[in-house]
Amino acid sequence: EAQVTQNPRYLITVTGKKLTVTCSQNMNHEYMSWYRQDPGLGLRQIYYSMNVEVTDKGDVPEGYKVSRKEKRNFPLILESPSPNQTSLYFCASTGGGAGYNEQFFGPGTRLTVL
Amino acid sequence: AQSVAQPEDQVNVAEGNPLTVKCTYSVSGNPYLFWYVQYPNRGLQFLLKYITGDNLVKGSYGFEAEFNKSQTSFHLKKPSALVSDSALYFCAVRDRPSGTASKLTFGTGTRLQVTL
Repeated sequence: EAQVTQNPRYLITVTGKKLTVTCSQNMNHEYMSWYRQDPGLGLRQIYYSMNVEVTDKGDVPEGYKVSRKEKRNFPLILESPSPNQTSLYFCASTGGGAGYNEQFFGPGTRLTVL
Repeated sequence: AQSVAQPEDQVNVAEGNPLTVKCTYSVSGNPYLFWYVQYPNRGLQFLLKYITGDNLVKGSYGFEAEFNKSQTSFHLKKPSALVSDSALYFCAVRDRPSGTASKLTFGTGTRLQVTL
């Protein structure tokens, strides 16, 4: 089954404790992206990757890091989480570089930073 | 810069009645337009998209959307709503000249509530 998986689905942590949210897709997609969803703000792009070893900032990259060492994986790293990073996070992937392709989304990771 | 506006936070409709969820956009060139749906505790699912050609686009679950270039709108519609359509709906736009998958801008979402 074609899918995007994220782990963990739920995470409660404390300020300053480094964490990683994993994302993996089995569709051989070149393009992957991370979003955060906050009430009233919709989805905002954090980082994206056009292919292996190619990443770039989205609209709200502060406080986040990413890496793309393999095509299927695109982990999101919070080096020192803060309460304002409490949010619902989604990973997405798209096949090819064409702008008309739809994105496939993971199930989401609900993060709470105390 | 590209942007999307969904002017209604919530739309309420009775089952069996037609529904419309509004979306307007702003891009520098011609747009690629998308609708996604989010059910509770789930990720976003693709519904339909406008790339080029016929202004009326048909998608999943009986939904359709009409591209109106003069009004820069891409409203989502369904002739007869179902209770199971209740969800959060997102409109998204990508500026075609950029051509790449790098930048997809989402609206703030509209919650659709269908009641019996």
